[in-house]
Amino acid sequence: QQQVKQSPQSLIVQKGGISIINCAYENTAFDYFPWYQQFPGKGPALLIAIRPDVSEKKEGRFTISFNKSAKQFSLHIMDSQPGDSATYFCAASTRAAGNKLTFGGGTRVLVKP
Amino acid sequence: DSGVTQTPKHLITATGQRVTLRCSPRSGDLSVYWYQQSLDQGLQFLIQYYNGEERAKGNILERFSAQQFPDLHSELNLSSLELGDSALYFCASSPAGRVETQYFGPGTRLLVL
Repeated sequence: QQQVKQSPQSLIVQKGGISIINCAYENTAFDYFPWYQQFPGKGPALLIAIRPDVSEKKEGRFTISFNKSAKQFSLHIMDSQPGDSATYFCAASTRAAGNKLTFGGGTRVLVKP
Repeated sequence: DSGVTQTPKHLITATGQRVTLRCSPRSGDLSVYWYQQSLDQGLQFLIQYYNGEERAKGNILERFSAQQFPDLHSELNLSSLELGDSALYFCASSPAGRVETQYFGPGTRLLVL
């Protein structure tokens, strides 16, 4: 049972463009939604996170938009750079389940110079 | 660098064998999580420990076991290895004040031949 669905599986964007990755969840008990960035051969690195009482959070070029009623959230990468080329994972957790992370399937982003 | 260390970085072994993966959490972090990353299953939660006690269990096989020691380092033991156990194994830790925030180590790449 995949509780967090992520799309697209991959995307190509030109340098300076906007990358948008979407996630949908099923479990309404989730109360924490982080995004992780992973480079080949490395562990996932926490990028930005949001709680369901906030509709948007911005950190630098990265923005999370959260729609609680639709049970969806998305990551926007503004002014995409070649160094942003990586795999991005959305995730969700709930304190009631020990904060274990349930991950989406990942999105491979390629930023072309 | 997340501050989480994992050893070994790579491990090659044969079917039927047993291996031990080691994780040292960030200084002061009491929670340790283990995740498996494979091409077909994605990133999956295995097990969580908090200050030496098992807190949550995910889709962890009976052939797998883990423990957290008094110095807070953790070990994941994989026995009777099968080809399908080949994967990346990540350890993550979280700080006491922000238990939902997990920092991942660089991982151990296991190849079972």
